[in-house]
Amino acid sequence: GAGVSQSPSNKVTEKGKDVELRCDPISGHTALYWYRQSLGQGLEFLIYFQGNSAPDKSGLPSDRFSAERTGGSVSTLTIQRTQQEDSAVYLCASSKSSGPYEQYFGPGTRLTVT
Amino acid sequence: GENVEQHPSTLSVQEGDSAVIKCTYSDSASNYFPWYKQELGKRPQLIIDIRSNVGEKKDQRIAVTLNKTAKHFSLHITETQPEDSAVYFCAASLGTGTASKLTFGTGTRLQVTL
Repeated sequence: GAGVSQSPSNKVTEKGKDVELRCDPISGHTALYWYRQSLGQGLEFLIYFQGNSAPDKSGLPSDRFSAERTGGSVSTLTIQRTQQEDSAVYLCASSKSSGPYEQYFGPGTRLTVT
Repeated sequence: GENVEQHPSTLSVQEGDSAVIKCTYSDSASNYFPWYKQELGKRPQLIIDIRSNVGEKKDQRIAVTLNKTAKHFSLHITETQPEDSAVYFCAASLGTGTASKLTFGTGTRLQVTL
């Protein structure tokens, strides 16, 4: 079946602009996570959604970052007034629940802020 | 919060030799420990995972061991092949719900030479 998909695959933006990143989880997966991977680094947790529960936003690095998940499926991560330090690969993952179970990752969006 | 340390950062082995990657975690309540393989430019993919009620798990050439007392876990790859070359990440999770988010190590770049 279809895996996790993300769009765009690459995004180049100017400092100060806003960007929106999209994630389509595997159908039926109720748990959705966003992580950030900076060059040569591990993955850093950003935000977690589970069903209709309030999201866990504890990993968001600043109030310029926000995310939503509509209808329990598609999620968008928004970065306002982008800064150069926001340049990274943003990865989305989903799992069938939050058991914990295997998290399936999308291909990521490579964000470059110039 | 949870902290995961991973060693070594790079590892070079000859084809056919074994490779061992070690991780330590800080929170004794962590109960789920996955290992992800990430090839260059690709998404992370789960290769094996272990839960805290198990000391060892094996899947063909890959095995993971967990020592809860010492709070460390290791990945063992036997009979390495060139296609094993990738970056490997260990991770830890505290359990269900919001605790299911993964805390990752900083990765080990494994190179298998002919």
